[in-house]
Amino acid sequence: EAQVTQNPRYLITVTGKKLTVTCSQNMNHEYMSWYRQDPGLGLRQIYYSMNVEVTDKGDVPEGYKVSRKEKRNFPLILESPSPNQTSLYFCASRITGVRAEAFFGQGTRLTVV
Amino acid sequence: GENVEQHPSTLSVQEGDSAVIKCTYSDSASNYFPWYKQELGKGPQLIIDIRSNVGEKKDQRIAVTLNKTAKHFSLHITETQPEDSAVYFCAALTSGNTPLVFGKGTRLSVIA
Repeated sequence: EAQVTQNPRYLITVTGKKLTVTCSQNMNHEYMSWYRQDPGLGLRQIYYSMNVEVTDKGDVPEGYKVSRKEKRNFPLILESPSPNQTSLYFCASRITGVRAEAFFGQGTRLTVV
Repeated sequence: GENVEQHPSTLSVQEGDSAVIKCTYSDSASNYFPWYKQELGKGPQLIIDIRSNVGEKKDQRIAVTLNKTAKHFSLHITETQPEDSAVYFCAALTSGNTPLVFGKGTRLSVIA
């Protein structure tokens, strides 16, 4: 089954404690991205990657890091989480073609206290 | 870069009525316009899309229209059902290597 898998689904952490949210896709997609979803603000892109070892900033990259060492994985790293990073996070993947249907993971609800 | 505006932010309709959600985009080079449905506790899922060389596309009770001159596109849902209740996002894409830009979403409630 084609899917994007994120872990964990829920996470409560304390300010400053480094964390990683993993994302893996099994569709051999070149393009992967991370979004955060906040009430009234929709889906805002954090980082994206067009292929292995190629990453770029989205609209709200501050406080986040990513890496793309393998095609299937695109982890999101919060080196020093702060309460304003409390949000619902989605990983997505797609091909780089014109009809670029994006497949989303189930989401990770992060709370930073 | 591309900017997508979506209206309304919330929409309530009676079961069986139609619902229309509208989006405008800023970059005339955008050529692909998908719509996503997000049910509670899930990630967004593609429900219909349209390319810039097509004016209208229909799939059962949902349809999308595109007006390239005015740079706006709309989602139409007819004969709404309670299971249509969800958040809907429009998006625009300029090329395969650029980010998909989303509108802020519309929360649709279908009242039985």
